[in-house]
Amino acid sequence: GQQVMQIPQYQHVQEGEDFTTYCNSSTTLSNIQWYKQRPGGHPVFLIQLVKSGEVKKQKRLTFQFGEAKKNSSLHITATQTTDVGTYFCAGLDNAGNNRKLIWGLGTSLAVNP
Amino acid sequence: GAVVSQHPSWVICKSGTSVKIECRSLDFQATTMFWYRQFPKQSLMLMATSNEGSKATYEQGVEKDKFLINHASLTLSTLTVTSAHPEDSSFYICSARGPPGTGGIDYGYTFGSGTRLTVV
Repeated sequence: GQQVMQIPQYQHVQEGEDFTTYCNSSTTLSNIQWYKQRPGGHPVFLIQLVKSGEVKKQKRLTFQFGEAKKNSSLHITATQTTDVGTYFCAGLDNAGNNRKLIWGLGTSLAVNP
Repeated sequence: GAVVSQHPSWVICKSGTSVKIECRSLDFQATTMFWYRQFPKQSLMLMATSNEGSKATYEQGVEKDKFLINHASLTLSTLTVTSAHPEDSSFYICSARGPPGTGGIDYGYTFGSGTRLTVV
């Protein structure tokens, strides 16, 4: 079945360092979404990428969608302790009418002050 | 923005009892709701998809008679864990998607705050 692989699983960085997480789908995606889940919390929507090669920025966060719409990345510049959490990518499955999300396993980010 | 209210936030129940979890979309109509469970330090596992006014679609391996889902209105979906056992202890989260054109896709899927179930 359709899968979304996400790496790395864990990442420890020193505050101020950059961080990147990557997602790769086994099939072409309609779009890809990114979520952040703080420890003990629930996933919070960050952004959605739809177009091939799309790049979007939110302050220190840069999101990219690959040309083939099968991979995506999230890059955080100069991490801060508030960036701590697990970042999930989720691809939209167009099969059927429910359009359910196919989730990556997440990348857990720890930031040392 | 879209808000999904989920309660209870946490519940402890005895083995063999049933627990109902509610999810309400507060400022939009949720034609579709998704129910997930999440184990510590793991990703979200989709359990079922419910559409208002119709039967839920369960993922492979999820017992529909154990996890009863009701989506009777455009703003409310419930998940009932029947005859709960310790292995059902988990974090259950609902997610809602509005109808096309209302921002349900543009703003991503909105999640409830989750319910931490402990069965003793």
